[in-house]
Amino acid sequence: DTGVSQDPRHKITKRGQNVTFRCDPISEHNRLYWYRQTLGQGPEFLTYFQNEAQLEKSRLLSDRFSAERPKGSFSTLEIQRTEQGDSAMYLCASSRLNPSGGSNYGYTFGSGTRLTVV
Amino acid sequence: GESVGLHLPTLSVQEGDNSIINCAYSNSASDYFIWYKQESGKGPQFIIDIRSNMDKRQGQRVTVLLNKTVKHLSLQIAATQPGDSAVYFCAERGNDYKLSFGAGTTVTVRA
Repeated sequence: DTGVSQDPRHKITKRGQNVTFRCDPISEHNRLYWYRQTLGQGPEFLTYFQNEAQLEKSRLLSDRFSAERPKGSFSTLEIQRTEQGDSAMYLCASSRLNPSGGSNYGYTFGSGTRLTVV
Repeated sequence: GESVGLHLPTLSVQEGDNSIINCAYSNSASDYFIWYKQESGKGPQFIIDIRSNMDKRQGQRVTVLLNKTVKHLSLQIAATQPGDSAVYFCAERGNDYKLSFGAGTTVTVRA
């Protein structure tokens, strides 16, 4: 297991199109998170899953956004009818439920998907 | 009295010197803190973490200090190297399990 994987790394889409991103977390991590990062800012929380259950959604997550984690493993984030304001880096992270050894909860981020809406 | 380090958006440091990056956090109920390093075009990379029942934790060339009285976190990097140039973020975990990130500090290492 080499960490959190995200696909694609880059996505350019026309305004109004739908896009879907995928995240594969670290296999033993129960929790999976989606964050959004715009230029010059820190990541902002969007939503998180514990196993397959989506437990919290930020107010940033409008009705055009939907996330799933159907089998408690990988997750997808879909944006419908994209707008230019959706342009950002979308980051996925995973962590353990409880602290364990070395780096406590093991909060690990993927490399992100950079979305550009033109 | 104890001085609280200011958060600076940028830090320029001579190669080989020690770096100190400061961060103020907002939630007194936060129980866990992490420092991340982020290079251009990449996701945040875990550096070191600390739980709220500790005030100091050391890693390889890095030390995190936590002062809960003034809600302040710092990251010390010993013998700063060119590869340490990046944006550094502190993050706190509240009782709702998500991370809240502070304003980043851009560190530039001068050769």
